[in-house]
Amino acid sequence: EPEVTQTPSHQVTQMGQEVILRCVPISNHLYFYWYRQILGQKVEFLVSFYNNEISEKSEIFDDQFSVERPDGSNFTLKIRSTKLEDSAMYFCASSVTGDTQYFGPGTRLTVL
Amino acid sequence: KNEVEQSPQNLTAQEGEFITINCSYSVGISALHWLQQHPGGGIVSLFMLSSGKKKHGRLIATINIQEKHSSLHITASHPRDSAVYICAVQPGDDKIIFGKGTRLHILP
Repeated sequence: EPEVTQTPSHQVTQMGQEVILRCVPISNHLYFYWYRQILGQKVEFLVSFYNNEISEKSEIFDDQFSVERPDGSNFTLKIRSTKLEDSAMYFCASSVTGDTQYFGPGTRLTVL
Repeated sequence: KNEVEQSPQNLTAQEGEFITINCSYSVGISALHWLQQHPGGGIVSLFMLSSGKKKHGRLIATINIQEKHSSLHITASHPRDSAVYICAVQPGDDKIIFGKGTRLHILP
């Protein structure tokens, strides 16, 4: 069964460094999303992406964040200069028509 | 005030019991999602609904748009159902607002 994959599963970085989290959505899906979950807190929406552009973003998604679909398969989330408070689990999701979303396993980002 | 409230926050039940998890929301929505988060952190989408009722196996989800309320039911619960169940609402467009989740523990 097709699934969303994410790499790496765990990323450790120093504060101020740039990180790129990678996602491979399900191949025929058209809508892509990033979420994050800080340990012990609820899941938060970051951004949605459709037709090669951002369709919606939350207040969390500031200038430090960017998303890209560099080729036909990958969907990336870049954090330019990581802060301690960026430590969280980051989930990618994809959807065919914008309804049911299929989630990846997540990338745990630890900022030291 | 949280836009999505779930109850209970924690629920422990015996195997075989009928489980109900409730979700109330305060915003107008185009859809409501029920998600399951496993102990390892992975998230699985269970249902997306905008009206009425949906059933998948032992899981049933209902929504009352007028009352801004949804319930997730699990029949004949099993220890493998132990997880965090998350209600999330979609006000429109793509943004989703998540509840804090209900931690369910089914005892054998």
